[in-house]
Amino acid sequence: EVQLVQSGAEVKKPGESLKISCKGSGYSFTSHWIGWVRQMPGKGPEWMGIIYPGDSDTRYSPSFQGQVTISADTSISTAHLQWSSLKASDSAIYFCGRKGRGEGFDYWGQGTLVTVSS
Amino acid sequence: QSALTQPASVSGSPGQSITISCTGTSSDVGGYNYVSWYQQHPGKAPKLMIYDVSNRPSGVSNRFSGSKSGNTASLTISGLQAEDEADYYCSSYTSISTLYVFGTGTKVTVL
Repeated sequence: EVQLVQSGAEVKKPGESLKISCKGSGYSFTSHWIGWVRQMPGKGPEWMGIIYPGDSDTRYSPSFQGQVTISADTSISTAHLQWSSLKASDSAIYFCGRKGRGEGFDYWGQGTLVTVSS
Repeated sequence: QSALTQPASVSGSPGQSITISCTGTSSDVGGYNYVSWYQQHPGKAPKLMIYDVSNRPSGVSNRFSGSKSGNTASLTISGLQAEDEADYYCSSYTSISTLYVFGTGTKVTVL
């Protein structure tokens, strides 16, 4: 059974760093793109970027380029999303998804709630 | 990259059919057959309903269908059921960022 399991909720202060994770199982982790999506409270989802774990090819949405870093560790079948200096505006739920056949993302993690507050 | 345009809300009675539109440009919806549709219930992860304009993943009801004409893609839900009440988002590959862009979202209400 394909599963993406994300790390738990985080509460951080502005300026702190953070790395959240998305662990894939039940499929070949290196053969499928993983995408990250931000969803702010009461708003629609926004694509942040995608990574192909097989060769670490990574693409960022212009809005998120330079603001976050997406990486993958194939030894533990896990993708990461990280910030070096959080802002209050980074407070949101972050979802990871797996690209399946075609250009659709067919499996999703349960989401990680990030709260940034002083 | 601007979000694709969807109607804010669509409603219908049980058993009826409804259609949600998703309008983009020739750089995204119109230029590629890479439109997907996602259903999202409050507090839950998106669920893929349609990929590559008109393909249904296994397990998705055949009451859901997708199509495209020019720069506008559409999702049709036939035989509307109470469980279909949710937010729906289109998504398309875009050559502007060589990534994807979501639509503004449509809240479907079953009357």
